[in-house]
Amino acid sequence: GAVVSQHPSRVICKSGTSVKIECRSLDFQATTMFWYRQFPKKSLMLMATSNEGSKATYEQGVEKDKFLINHASLTLSTLTVTSAHPEDSSFYICSASRGEIGEKLFFGSGTQLSVL
Amino acid sequence: GNSVTQMEGPVTLSEEAFLTINCTYTATGYPSLFWYVQYPGEGLQLLLKATKADDKGSNKGFEATYRKETTSFHLEKGSVQVSDSAVYFCALSRNTGFQKLVFGTGTRLLVSP
Repeated sequence: GAVVSQHPSRVICKSGTSVKIECRSLDFQATTMFWYRQFPKKSLMLMATSNEGSKATYEQGVEKDKFLINHASLTLSTLTVTSAHPEDSSFYICSASRGEIGEKLFFGSGTQLSVL
Repeated sequence: GNSVTQMEGPVTLSEEAFLTINCTYTATGYPSLFWYVQYPGEGLQLLLKATKADDKGSNKGFEATYRKETTSFHLEKGSVQVSDSAVYFCALSRNTGFQKLVFGTGTRLLVSP
């Protein structure tokens, strides 16, 4: 089946630094990618939807200037957490779609971000 | 708004035990319902789905029936194996595609030999 690679799997950073998370579709072209966030004991929440070559669409309550999403190619989307703070510590997951109606999503294995 | 509620885990079972993981949802209209599974170190994978009331999704011995009257989509398996140890996520989608999913919190299942 299709594979989505997400890196890094775990990152620890100091408060105020920026962290970049990569999401790659390894064997298909992903016209649409999604970024999710999960806080402990909370639901996996959609943060934003990105389409290749256009600006990401953010869900209500997600700061677009803090969570920068770049989807510059059909196989790569990046999420940059800018000026990270401890409250940004969370589990981040990406998923990718070929964009066809009814097409299933393919998920990365997630990134655990810990901000000290 | 749309939401999904799952039972808290972890659920700990012995091999060959019967499994139920409860999932209820709140949504307007007729959402599609899904169960995803995440094995250690891997991404979420679609386990099964149902797109209309009374549909039963099934895969790998797991089943779930779309119950509109109780707004539920409970996951069941008659005899679990150690290899079923994973985190299970219930989810819904308001459109006919899979794309914009609303997830539950996930339920960790631990199966011991």
